[in-house]
Amino acid sequence: EIVMTQSPATLSVSPGERATLSCRASQSVSSNLAWYQQKPGQAPRLLIYGAYTRATGFPARFSGSGSGTEFTLTISSLQSDDFAVYYCQQYNNWPLTFGGGTKVEIK
Amino acid sequence: EVQLVESGGGLAQPGRSLRLSCVASGFIFNDYAIHWVRQAPGKGLEWVSSISWNSGDIGYADSVKGRFTISRDNAKQSLYLQMNSLRAEDTAFYYCAKALSMILVRGPFDYWGQGTLVTVSS
Repeated sequence: EIVMTQSPATLSVSPGERATLSCRASQSVSSNLAWYQQKPGQAPRLLIYGAYTRATGFPARFSGSGSGTEFTLTISSLQSDDFAVYYCQQYNNWPLTFGGGTKVEIK
Repeated sequence: EVQLVESGGGLAQPGRSLRLSCVASGFIFNDYAIHWVRQAPGKGLEWVSSISWNSGDIGYADSVKGRFTISRDNAKQSLYLQMNSLRAEDTAFYYCAKALSMILVRGPFDYWGQGTLVTVSS
């Protein structure tokens, strides 16, 4: 099983600042890496897939990078709507696995 | 508009069974793999099971293998999860989710339902 490790667990950021979230895979997942955003009481939403392709409905301030075992989600200038929990997921191998999540909270 | 609506959750005693359903609309259901993902209250996401468009490719998490069975009825645009021998650790919101790509069975998941809560307790 591929273990996905996200850091930090919690990120405190002021509105307008940049946020950088990390996701590490225990073995290579190529570019088969997705990011999801989840707000309280809601289902997750696909944010990034293929490591860097933004899903429909998300603005350009969200960007993904990386390949192999190291991935990054960057939010260039945090808006109030961006405070949420973010999960990475690998879909390169069975079983599909998620990281533990990074909560982005208001500083 | 793509919609996925889960049902069938509720309270079950340990060792008993429940059957979850997910009804889809707004897309060609039999073109896509569909998945079950669960989330214990206040915890992270855990993939449970996946089924390809024609039921020819099915996968389970080790934590549910041998106890849960995924199936689909393309004519009814429905997905099912038969959950047997339930345990307290199966308590979670269960989401069905649609695969983004018609080609890649494993994901990612571009649309999710709102989830149905399964509580396993005596």
